[in-house]
Order: sequence, then C-alpha cells, then structure tokens
Amino acid sequence: QQQVKQSPQSLIVQKGGISIINCAYENTAFDYFPWYQQFPGKGPALLIAIRPDVSEKKEGRFTISFNKSAKQFSLHIMDSQPGDSATYFCAARKDVNKFYFGSGTKLNVKP
Amino acid sequence: DTGVSQDPRHKITKRGQNVTFRCDPISEHNRLYWYRQTLGQGPEFLTYFQNEAQLEKSRLLSDRFSAERPKGSFSTLEIQRTEQGDSAMYLCASSHRTGANTGELFFGEGSRLTVL
Repeated sequence: QQQVKQSPQSLIVQKGGISIINCAYENTAFDYFPWYQQFPGKGPALLIAIRPDVSEKKEGRFTISFNKSAKQFSLHIMDSQPGDSATYFCAARKDVNKFYFGSGTKLNVKP
Repeated sequence: DTGVSQDPRHKITKRGQNVTFRCDPISEHNRLYWYRQTLGQGPEFLTYFQNEAQLEKSRLLSDRFSAERPKGSFSTLEIQRTEQGDSAMYLCASSHRTGANTGELFFGEGSRLTVL
C-alpha cells in the first residue's frame, strides 16, 4: 500500500506558468514532508520541505502548501522555467528515519 | 566534500551472477540508507545503517541481498544470484540528524543495474 499518493503523473506547463503537484497521505505519524527534484541520470535532491505545524513555506519560486486536516500538501512552482523540467517527488517521514516517497511527477516546461 | 558517491554508476550482468555496489556517504553523516528506484516510481526503502549497525531492513530485501557498513564509513550492497526483476536504480543516501537538524537525505547519483 502506497503511503504517499502523488498526482499528476506528468505535467506540461508553458514557460512563466504555475506548476502544481499534489500529494496526499493517511498516516498522521508523519512529521516532515520534503519535496525532491530529480534530473535524468541523477539522484533526487532536496528542494524544499515543511513540518505539519506550518501551513505554507516559500523559498524563491517554490512554495509548499500544507493542509493538515485534509492530509494533503502541494508544491507550487511559480514562473516555471525550462530548467525546472525534471521529475518531482513528494515524501513523508515518520519514526525519524523512515521516508516514504510518492510515485513522482514528470514536469515539462515548454519554452 | 563532494557529496554521496556511488560506484559503479552502471552495471550490466547476466541472470544468476552476483553484483556489489559501493556507497561513500558524506563524511560526517552517521546514517546511511539504501533505496531502490524502478522506472516511473519513487525510491523504495531497502535498508538503513546508523554508524556500523544495520538497524532496519525492508521486506523488499530478500535473502539474496546483503548490505554492510564496516567501521561506519562506506557501505556495500551485494545482490547474489541476480534476477531480471532486480533491474533498477540503487540509490544510496546519507544524513546526520542532531538537534534541530531535520536529518534530510542526501542522495548519490545511483547505481543502475541491468540484469539480462
């Protein structure tokens, strides 16, 4: 059973547009929610992360919105650029060391 | 320090052969993880070390898989009698959690295994 469900599977956005990726979870024991960015042939790299006591976190063009009651969180990429084209994974952590990843969203930003 | 390094980056082997992957974590990181990633999926947890102790293993890690981390430094992941279903990217990650540090994972670039 997948602990973190991610959608959409793929996303095409025009340059300058907003990219939105959604994730949902069930386990209330999760205490940390990171997003990872992965380019082809590379390992995932931490992009931005949030704790459940915060509803929003913004770093540059990247924003996480967190809805604790709905058990949902999303990544918004403002002013999307072709260089943002990558696969994005949401994740959730519990018990200090157990990270569970979503299935990924392949983002393609058209110039 | 250049981050987590993995070797080899690519390995092609025939079914039934044994393969070994090596991971060198970031030097001050005491935690080391192995994940497996198949095409179109997110990383799946395999096993975790704190220093030299292997503290947890996933059910995904059959008895053909063994991991070690001697002296709490580098780690190896060995797959014996490889099967075609073992074809995947094997990712190593390390972390160091102290106090307010969230213990984020730093991933290597992975070792891609193809079993013919």
